[in-house]
Amino acid sequence: ILNVEQSPQSLHVQEGDSTNFTCSFPSSNFYALHWYRWETAKSPEALFVMTLNGDEKKKGRISATLNTKEGYSYLYIKGSQPEDSATYLCAFMSNNQGGKLIFGQGTELSVKP
Amino acid sequence: DADVTQTPRNRITKTGKRIMLECSQTKGHDRMYWYRQDPGLGLRLIYYSFDVKDINKGEISDGYSVSRQAQAKFSLSLESAIPNQTALYFCATSDRGTSGRTYEQYFGPGTRLTVT
Repeated sequence: ILNVEQSPQSLHVQEGDSTNFTCSFPSSNFYALHWYRWETAKSPEALFVMTLNGDEKKKGRISATLNTKEGYSYLYIKGSQPEDSATYLCAFMSNNQGGKLIFGQGTELSVKP
Repeated sequence: DADVTQTPRNRITKTGKRIMLECSQTKGHDRMYWYRQDPGLGLRLIYYSFDVKDINKGEISDGYSVSRQAQAKFSLSLESAIPNQTALYFCATSDRGTSGRTYEQYFGPGTRLTVT
């Protein structure tokens, strides 16, 4: 059974704070690592899909890094804003599980003005 | 118009009833998925399909069945609903993406199902 762990489970920060959270996944049979942002009452939306060890992706104030050899990815948010409040999900795709995504339980971020 | 639609959006049903959740997409993707979300558990895969003739069980398929009626339609059925199937259900689609390997998933708006 493949396990994908995210930490912390929840995070409360003030507007302007920078923050980061972690996704841990199996270090063998890696194919891709996905990050999704899920706002309350909406659907999850893809932020990044990362496929190569050492990948760094950036979208505005949000960036992500990937280490496939040790099995972790970090998501960073610089200067958090209230509109960043959401649950951030990571999902692992292995190369021997038929193209399925295994999701972590998510990190719930709350940014107070 | 939304690329991935789900009907109904909300449903309350009684234990033992049969219920069908429907998903349609206009993205032209071959791959479609059904997930359920429970608080604190993230998204768990129920069934997935890579084309009309390909149906696969996910990690929590017991008590569910699916039908891929066409490339654009993927339905989830609960044959005899039970209270612990109360959850938020998402349909999603994907394809290879522009790089040929991303399989980024596009989610529908979700169906909130309550079984009493």
